[in-house]
Amino acid sequence: EAGVAQSPRYKIIEKRQSVAFWCNPISGHATLYWYQQILGQGPKLLIQFQNNGVVDDSQLPKDRFSAERLKGVDSTLKIQPAKLEDSAVYLCASSSTPGDYVGYTFGSGTRLTVV
Amino acid sequence: AQSVTQLDSQVPVFEEAPVELRCNYSSSVSVYLFWYVQYPNQGLQLLLKYLSGSTLVKGINGFEAEFNKSQTSFHLRKPSVHISDTAEYFCAALNTGGFKTIFGAGTRLFVKA
Repeated sequence: EAGVAQSPRYKIIEKRQSVAFWCNPISGHATLYWYQQILGQGPKLLIQFQNNGVVDDSQLPKDRFSAERLKGVDSTLKIQPAKLEDSAVYLCASSSTPGDYVGYTFGSGTRLTVV
Repeated sequence: AQSVTQLDSQVPVFEEAPVELRCNYSSSVSVYLFWYVQYPNQGLQLLLKYLSGSTLVKGINGFEAEFNKSQTSFHLRKPSVHISDTAEYFCAALNTGGFKTIFGAGTRLFVKA
């Protein structure tokens, strides 16, 4: 079974620029999550999709972050404009159902550095 | 509100020694509990989980954890660590019937030769 694919692996941008991350979940997984992991901290949920609908985006800074999952499969997370404090690893995860008690499958993440 | 506290940010230990990584949770309802491991430059990988039943759960790579409801703890243990166990370990909790998994801040395990 292929894992969760994310790209790019690394990205360096200047503040106020825009950036986009891509995620392709495990085939058949209806639920997709984007997490932000700041250095020295645990992952923080940004947004959760169930198919192509948003289940939870309460911690997504909507003035600068956006995410979509148009066909209920892959997803894109965008930041525009980026701030220095957005430097973090952005992790995508998927599960077969929301609140999946078997655990999530994570991608390798995209490490964003804002300078 | 649900929260997860990992009591140690870093744990240095010598190879072949036992180790315990501590985790406490807070929740007003029953929870499922998880431990994930993150190797450098990789995503998180599920080590083990507690759903119900036996309070001692065994996971991959020789790790085990014990659920203690009275102390609201879920500590991770390994009787003999290897250099390859050097990684960051995250405890996580999911309310039964809920949708959001909450992660602790992580514990960096450093195994020395």
